Amino acid sequence: DTGVSQNPRHKITKRGQNVTFRCDPISEHNRLYWYRQTLGQGPEFLTYFQNEAQLEKSRLLSDRFSAERPKGSFSTLEIQRTEQGDSAMYLCASSHPATGELFFGEGSRLTVL
Amino acid sequence: LAKTTQPISMDSYEGQEVNITCSHNNIATNDYITWYQQFPSQGPRFIIQGYKTKVTNEVASLFIPADRKSSTLSLPRVSLSDTAVYYCLVATMNTGFQKLVFGTGTRLLVSP
Repeated sequence: DTGVSQNPRHKITKRGQNVTFRCDPISEHNRLYWYRQTLGQGPEFLTYFQNEAQLEKSRLLSDRFSAERPKGSFSTLEIQRTEQGDSAMYLCASSHPATGELFFGEGSRLTVL
Repeated sequence: LAKTTQPISMDSYEGQEVNITCSHNNIATNDYITWYQQFPSQGPRFIIQGYKTKVTNEVASLFIPADRKSSTLSLPRVSLSDTAVYYCLVATMNTGFQKLVFGTGTRLLVSP
């Protein structure tokens, strides 16, 4: 399968714990995006990478959130000291440099107890 | 980024044609219209994209009038598997960064 891969697919954690999600984009895509989606809402933009450079971050991304994309390949999204309000689906997408079309992964669902 | 407005929900029956209209009154010259489909517990999936007039692919058609202030996604002969949320978005027409802004979308329910 050459689509966008995310793991883990599901994560249940206790409030205050740290969690990390990984995204493996489509190999030839140099742009990578993170979105967050809560029930009944559309995805909300969090951050964007072009190759290894993080070029934009949403105000939604508090100091507890950090994203990296070392070497411009896979990306990680870490949430420190999780809160119940962080419970959501975290979606990763990558885009082809020529078309700009976004290809989304199946998401990582976080539940904070 | 231009804001989009679309119906919250629509109902249809198998075999019917479904048209979902989206308004984007503040669309800019460099913006294009794109539609995504999302099933429960999955990420959105690109359906179709257009700038003006009509675009058709194997899944849907997109109709854009001359003033580009609205667009209509047309799904021919829907099936139960077309039950999903459909998002209309506008984005700047270039190959660079695309900060797609999703609204709440249109929930389409197809019944037998």
